[in-house]
Amino acid sequence: GQQVMQIPQYQHVQEGEDFTTYCNSSTTLSNIQWYKQRPGGHPVFLIQLVKSGEVKKQKRLTFQFGEAKKNSSLHITATQTTDVGTYFCAGPNAGNNRKLIWGLGTSLAVNP
Amino acid sequence: DVKVTQSSRYLVKRTGEKVFLECVQDMDHENMFWYRQDPGLGLRLIYFSYDVKMKEKGDIPEGYSVSREKKERFSLILESASTNQTSMYLCATGTSGIRETQYFGPGTRLLVL
Repeated sequence: GQQVMQIPQYQHVQEGEDFTTYCNSSTTLSNIQWYKQRPGGHPVFLIQLVKSGEVKKQKRLTFQFGEAKKNSSLHITATQTTDVGTYFCAGPNAGNNRKLIWGLGTSLAVNP
Repeated sequence: DVKVTQSSRYLVKRTGEKVFLECVQDMDHENMFWYRQDPGLGLRLIYFSYDVKMKEKGDIPEGYSVSREKKERFSLILESASTNQTSMYLCATGTSGIRETQYFGPGTRLLVL
């Protein structure tokens, strides 16, 4: 069945280092979404990418959608302790686009 | 801002009890979802609803049922709670459409003893 895979599962960085998480779908996606969940919190929508090759930035966060619309990445420049959390990617379910297919998430820890 | 509220942040129940988890949203969204979240397993969809009285099974519906009598309210029911249903339960809402994004409630951490 349709799957969305995320790597790495965990990442531990020193404050100030860069961080990247990758998301790969088994099928072409009409869009991909990224969410962040702080420790003890709930997932919060960050961004949605729709176009092939699209790149969007939010301050130190850069999101990319691959040309084939099957993969995506989130890059954080110069991490801060406020970036700690789990980052999830998700795309529409091909069989029922009311549902999302979620990656398992990448947990980011930042050493001050 | 979308507001999604859940009836309890923490809940402790005994095995065999019937458990009701409620979710209320104030943004008139058509779609509502119940997920459970366990370490290492990500977000798993239990049930969702795209209209009043309409529901569809998600990936792990066994042991659960749902009710949506009003558009703003979506309830998750554990008919007979078991210890393997100890988990974080997250409600989410979203509008219809292929570019739908989801808005989550704060979650209910359920412990079944």
